[in-house]
Amino acid sequence: DVKVTQSSRYLVKRTGEKVFLECVQDMDHENMFWYRQDPGLGLRLIYFSYDVKMKEKGDIPEGYSVSREKKERFSLILESASTNQTSMYLCASSLGSEVSTEAFFGQGTRLTVV
Amino acid sequence: GQNIDQPTEMTATEGAIVQINCTYQTSGFNGLFWYQQHAGEAPTFLSYNVLDGLEEKGRFSSFLSRSKGYSYLLLKELQMKDSASYLCACLDSNYQLIWGAGTKLIIKP
Repeated sequence: DVKVTQSSRYLVKRTGEKVFLECVQDMDHENMFWYRQDPGLGLRLIYFSYDVKMKEKGDIPEGYSVSREKKERFSLILESASTNQTSMYLCASSLGSEVSTEAFFGQGTRLTVV
Repeated sequence: GQNIDQPTEMTATEGAIVQINCTYQTSGFNGLFWYQQHAGEAPTFLSYNVLDGLEEKGRFSSFLSRSKGYSYLLLKELQMKDSASYLCACLDSNYQLIWGAGTKLIIKP
């Protein structure tokens, strides 16, 4: 079974802190994604990556950055956390580009910024 | 622009049948996914359609009409554990996933 693991299930941070959310997948997937999910808004793509050291902006990249130094690991960084970044963050991975396969999700990190 | 529409919330009775609709407008199309998401948990894959027609998988079926930009998820013999949100997502011409906002399904005894 594909396993996507996020480092924390729940996180509380202070405004202005630098926050790191880690995601690891164990199935050698090329694609990795970071989403945030807010009530009524569905899943919104923050950043994605098709390969090591490669990153692409999604729909809402402002205030975030990412790092993919190894194929299995994709990190989301909040440079200076703000209260409007309080949300559920979901990491996902899928097999490769130009392939119609499903995405597998981590368990999610519920981040609260106070 | 790209858009996926599905109802915000639906209510159904245990043991009954419910159909959740999804309409989409995307730049190109490489298939449509349905995911189930229980409250506070991650989405899990239910089905994938790329050709017109009905795909059946146990109590769940998914239908696609590419000419109409329309899909539905059919859940039969509803159980209380089917209470969840159901997400519709399309792969566009760049193989990017475009997500709907999800349909919250409430099952009543």
